[in-house]
This record gives sequence, C-alpha cells and structure tokens, in this order.
Amino acid sequence: EAQVTQNPRYLITVTGKKLTVTCSQNMNHEYMSWYRQDPGLGLRQIYYSMNVEVTDKGDVPEGYKVSRKEKRNFPLILESPSPNQTSLYFCASSLVQGPYEQYFGPGTRLTVT
Amino acid sequence: EDQVTQSPEALRLQEGESSSLNCSYTVSGLRGLFWYRQDPGKGPEFLFTLYSAGEEKEKERLKATLTKKESFLHITAPKPEDSATYLCAVQDNYGQNFVFGPGTRLSVLP
Repeated sequence: EAQVTQNPRYLITVTGKKLTVTCSQNMNHEYMSWYRQDPGLGLRQIYYSMNVEVTDKGDVPEGYKVSRKEKRNFPLILESPSPNQTSLYFCASSLVQGPYEQYFGPGTRLTVT
Repeated sequence: EDQVTQSPEALRLQEGESSSLNCSYTVSGLRGLFWYRQDPGKGPEFLFTLYSAGEEKEKERLKATLTKKESFLHITAPKPEDSATYLCAVQDNYGQNFVFGPGTRLSVLP
C-alpha cells in the first residue's frame, strides 16, 4: 500500500530536550515536505526537499532542522524544543516534476511543556 | 508573497442542500491550485489539481472550478459523510513550496 508514515504519532516532551520525528514514504517520490498545523493558521510549510541532499526552507523554518540522506526518509529534528513548537505536524511527499499532488502522513501531535 | 484565503470559515448545511466554498489566491505565477479534504485528526487527502483559469474537475458530489483570482468547490446534494475541513493550496512557478489556506469547516446535518 502506498503510504507516508510518521513516528511517533503522539509525543509529550519538555523544553530543551532534543527530539526527532521520522517520516518515510514508499512511493519513490523525490519531493518531501514538513508542515505544522495550528488552529486559525492552517498548514504552514517548515522545510522541503526536492531530492537526496537537497533541502530548502519553507515559511516557518526557525527552530527546526531536516536531513535527506535517503530518498524514502525525511526526519524532522527539534534540537531545543520550546512550548511554541507545540503543534500538529504532517509529513508529505510527491513527484517533483509538475504540480503534482502531495500525499500526507497521519500526523504527529507534539506537546512541549 | 503568495497568499490564500478561504471563505466561509465554517458552513453548516442540511443534507441535500447544495453550496459553494471559496478560495481566493494571490500568486506571482500559478503552477497549480490544489483542493484537499481533511477529517479530524487525520492528514489531508487530495481531491483536485487545477492548472489554468477556466478549468473544471469533478468527483462524485464535488466540482472544482478556477478563475485567475479564485477557485470554488461546489458541493451538490451533500451527505453527512461530506463533513470535513476543505483546504485550498497553491504552488507558484518560481519555487517548490506550497501555501495553504486556513480551510473551510463543513458540517452536513442529516
């Protein structure tokens, strides 16, 4: 089954404790992206990657890091989480050529206390 | 800077009562406009891609249309299972990032 998976699905952590949210896709997509979704603000793009070793900032990259060492994986790293990073996070993937639709993962709900 | 707004913020319909959702956008050069459906606690699910003004696409009770400044999602004779948040997004010609609107929360009452 074609899918995007994220882990963990739920995470409660404390300020300053480094964490990684994993994202993996099995569709051989070149393009992968991370979003955060907050009430009233909608989905905002954090980082995206057009292929292995190619990443770029989205609209809200501050406080986040990403890496793309393999085509199927695109982890999101919060090196020193803060309470304002409490949010619902989605990973997405798509083909890179043309305006192709993105396929989204199930989401990771992160709470930083 | 690309921008997307959606209206109304929330919409309640009776089953069978047709209506339209609006997506207004500002983009330097439109590469594609996307409609997604999102159920509570789940990731967005792709519905349509529109590429140029005048284009229309249909899927079951949904029909999406596009002009140079806005897109409409028409819902004909909705059913309770159409209740969800509908998201609009644009991608411009100059980058690979996507900009989403805040969504319209649709409730269809039996």
